[in-house]
Amino acid sequence: NAGVTQTPKFRILKIGQSMTLQCTQDMNHNYMYWYRQDPGMGLKLIYYSVGAGITDKGEVPNGYNVSRSTTEDFPLRLELAAPSQTSVYFCASGLVGTGELFFGEGSRLTVL
Amino acid sequence: QKEVEQNSGPLSVPEGAIASLNCTYSDRVSQSFFWYRQYSGKSPELIMSIYSNGDKEDGRFTAQLNKASQYVSLLIRDSQPSDSATYLCAVNPGGYNKLIFGAGTRLAVHP
Repeated sequence: NAGVTQTPKFRILKIGQSMTLQCTQDMNHNYMYWYRQDPGMGLKLIYYSVGAGITDKGEVPNGYNVSRSTTEDFPLRLELAAPSQTSVYFCASGLVGTGELFFGEGSRLTVL
Repeated sequence: QKEVEQNSGPLSVPEGAIASLNCTYSDRVSQSFFWYRQYSGKSPELIMSIYSNGDKEDGRFTAQLNKASQYVSLLIRDSQPSDSATYLCAVNPGGYNKLIFGAGTRLAVHP
């Protein structure tokens, strides 16, 4: 049982480049999330989705976009990368009615 | 701005002692509360959830909730070096499990 799978695990981008972080879950969870974690800081919600075709902004959505075409996949798109987007990104999924989130292993992104 | 506050630590305790981790939150309508453990370089994992005032025990872990004081705590009994990690307090203010996380308390258990 793979759970939540994120790729890539590490990436270095140049300022202005774009990329997509991939996230797939095999637990048939309706809810999916993207969080970012900066050193010494808590997790900040970027975007979330409550089901295929439905997405909404979280606390820090600027500079990012998402889509949810299937229950399993929830990619995060970074447009015009900036040094402020240097962070560790976690994808998570969860069941309706519980607060338990299952996290992927994280993607460490550096923008130079 | 909904906030969750934790002491960043590090909290250093000897092996076998009780570790006490505390968290306060600002949103009074929050209904569910969680403690996640995060080892260095790893992803968070849920260790405790609590929904009503009082204590909830699970093995060596006890979560305590006081909604009137907007206060959540986690007690770890018989602390082990393997408990050394960052503990994240999370609050669900309601709807879609959009958890708000504190910055975490780093716990160090020394032999």
